[in-house]
Amino acid sequence: EIVLTQSPATLSLSPGERATLSCRASQSVSSYLVWYQQKPGQAPRLLIYDASNRATGLPARFSGSGSGTDFTLTISTLEPEDFAVYYCQQRSNWPLTFGGGTKVEIK
Amino acid sequence: EVQLVESGGDLVQPGRSLRLSCAASGFTLDDYAMHWVRQAPGKGLEWVSGISWNSGIAGYADSVKGRFTISRDNAKNSLYLQMNSLRAEDTALYYCAKVLTTGWDAPAFDHWGQGTLVTVSA
Repeated sequence: EIVLTQSPATLSLSPGERATLSCRASQSVSSYLVWYQQKPGQAPRLLIYDASNRATGLPARFSGSGSGTDFTLTISTLEPEDFAVYYCQQRSNWPLTFGGGTKVEIK
Repeated sequence: EVQLVESGGDLVQPGRSLRLSCAASGFTLDDYAMHWVRQAPGKGLEWVSGISWNSGIAGYADSVKGRFTISRDNAKNSLYLQMNSLRAEDTALYYCAKVLTTGWDAPAFDHWGQGTLVTVSA
C-alpha cells in the first residue's frame, strides 16, 4: 500500500502568517492527492482534491500543489479558524491511505 | 443539504458483533459509491470499506477483510457496516462518507457524517 508521510507533525504559527504543509508518498500517486481539515470534535472537511482543485466554497487562501510523490498545502494568511489538523489522502491506488496529519497550532 | 447520520455504535466485548447504519439525505444516494472511514481515539484516519452505487463492487481494508461486510439499501437511503469478530483494535469513531464524483474510481470524500463510536473492550 502507498504510505503518505506528512511533515511537520506540528506547525506553530501566528494568525496572519503563511502555513506550508508537506505530504510525501512512498510511490507516485500522479495528481490523485486530497487534503482535509479536521477540527476537534468535528468530521473531516474536504479542502483540495486532485492536488490543486479547491472544494466548493473553500477560501482562496488555501491552495494545493505538487505531483508524483511530493505535495504541498499552503494557507497564505492564517485565519483563527484555520488552526486544526490537516490530513492528506491518496486516491491513486487501493487501498485508500491517509497521512498521519499535521497539526497547525497557535504560536 | 447533504446529511449523513451514523448510528449503532456501542461498547461491545471482543469477539462480538455490531451493525452500523448511516442514514443519507439531501442527495440521490444511488448515484454515488459510499464508504466507511474510522478514526481511533487520538489517531489519524483509516479507510475501512466502500461499496459501489449498485452494490456490485465492495472493497475492504486488509485489517477488516473477512470480518466486516458493507451493504446498502438505496430504497431506504441507508448504508450499513456489519462488524463481526470485533477486536480491541477496532475501537474507533466510524464515519460514513460520500464520494465527490460518481463512479467507482478511488475517491475523495466531500461529505462526512459526525461518526458513531465503537468501543471493543472486555
